[in-house]
Amino acid sequence: ETGVTQTPRHLVMGMTNKKSLKCEQHLGHNAMYWYKQSAKKPLELMFVYSLEERVENNSVPSRFSPECPNSSHLFLHLHTLQPEDSALYLCASSQGVVDTQYFGPGTRLTVL
Amino acid sequence: AQSVTQLDSHVSVSEGTPVLLRCNYSSSYSPSLFWYVQHPNKGLQLLLKYTSAATLVKGINGFEAEFKKSETSFHLTKPSAHMSDAAEYFCVVSGRDTGRRALTFGSGTRLQVQP
Repeated sequence: ETGVTQTPRHLVMGMTNKKSLKCEQHLGHNAMYWYKQSAKKPLELMFVYSLEERVENNSVPSRFSPECPNSSHLFLHLHTLQPEDSALYLCASSQGVVDTQYFGPGTRLTVL
Repeated sequence: AQSVTQLDSHVSVSEGTPVLLRCNYSSSYSPSLFWYVQHPNKGLQLLLKYTSAATLVKGINGFEAEFKKSETSFHLTKPSAHMSDAAEYFCVVSGRDTGRRALTFGSGTRLQVQP
């Protein structure tokens, strides 16, 4: 778990706020991912970055904006979220896409 | 398209008894298969991985899984449950089906271990 870190671990925000989630991987991987985990639903892949380039975007609303400045860091910028966006947001990394992924502890987001 | 089905949403066992968590998959290609575990308020931890080598895969914490191509199954087992095994378990398939680049997760099985 220490190979992939996420901050903050918990976040409460209003619908008009702007906030960012941060993920950092210390494993030397070249691919990073954002997942959303809601209660009673399977994990939903949101974004995939390979070599700092976005290679997959699974119809995620524009109020979620990812950024990958280098292969070790991944951000998820949040703007005017809805209460249904409350969930656990998980970051993962791997060496190459479609390979074993290592997950961070997640950020528990609550939108009021 | 690839998919994965976890046949039980909840499994309850007594401490010291065997654990069986069932998983069936569908994939057009030779898939890689994984089991991940998630303890409360934690991220996902890799338990084990199958990648077309030995069909019986041993993982951490005494877990193992057997790949059965004829049954398209990848069930997770452990001979003797421990209280610390209580968690959510995810079966995952990976492959290049329809150009998808990442993993397909099952809906999870919550394992309860009774004292």
